[in-house]
Amino acid sequence: DAKTTQPNSMESNEEEPVHLPCNHSTISGTDYIHWYRQLPSQGPEYVIHGLTSNVNNRMASLAIAEDRKSSTLILHRATLRDAAVYYCILRAYNNDMRFGAGTRLTVKP
Amino acid sequence: EPEVTQTPSHQVTQMGQEVILRCVPISNHLYFYWYRQILGQKVEFLVSFYNNEISEKSEIFDDQFSVERPDGSNFTLKIRSTKLEDSAMYFCASGLDRANSPLHFGNGTRLTVT
Repeated sequence: DAKTTQPNSMESNEEEPVHLPCNHSTISGTDYIHWYRQLPSQGPEYVIHGLTSNVNNRMASLAIAEDRKSSTLILHRATLRDAAVYYCILRAYNNDMRFGAGTRLTVKP
Repeated sequence: EPEVTQTPSHQVTQMGQEVILRCVPISNHLYFYWYRQILGQKVEFLVSFYNNEISEKSEIFDDQFSVERPDGSNFTLKIRSTKLEDSAMYFCASGLDRANSPLHFGNGTRLTVT
C-alpha cells in the first residue's frame, strides 16, 4: 500500500485559513487522494478527493502537487467545529481504504 | 441527504457471547465496509463487501467474524464469540465506487465486552 505522511498535530486560529499537508511520495498513477476527518465521538466524514487536478467543494480545497507526491487540504476559514483529526488516504481500485494516524487540528478562538 | 444508519448505538455483551451489529447503507451504493476503532487508537479496516461476497479482509477479520447482506438493505457484522479485546467502536460505511467516490460512514456502534 502506498503510504502517506502527515504531521501529528497542527493549531489554527478561528477564522484563519488552515493548510494541512500530506506527503505520498510512493503514490501510483491510479491512486486517488482522499481526505476524511473525524470529529470527536463521531464516525469519519468525507471531506474531498482528487486524482491530478486541484479540487474545490463547499467544505475545503485540495491542492495536488504536479508530481502528485504531496497534497494540501485547505480550510479557507477555520471554525471551532473544524477541530478534528484529518486523514489523508490513498485509494486504489485494487485495495480498500486504510486510515493512518492523521493530523489532529486544534482551532483556537 | 441520505445517510448510513447503524444500530444499536451501544451494545454491552458478555465475553463468549455472539453479537450482531447492524447497518443500513445508502440505498444505491454497491460497496460496503466495516471498520473498527479501539478507544484512543486509529480507525482499522476490517472487511469490504461487493456483489454479495467479501472483496478484501484484514488480518483482524478472522474466523470469529462474518458479514452478511441478508435482504438487500441491511449489512451485518457478526462476532461469534466475543473477547474483551473486541471492545471498540464499529463503523459501517458504503460507497458507489471502489476508489473514485466518497465513503459514507455511520456514527458507529460502541461494543463493550465484559
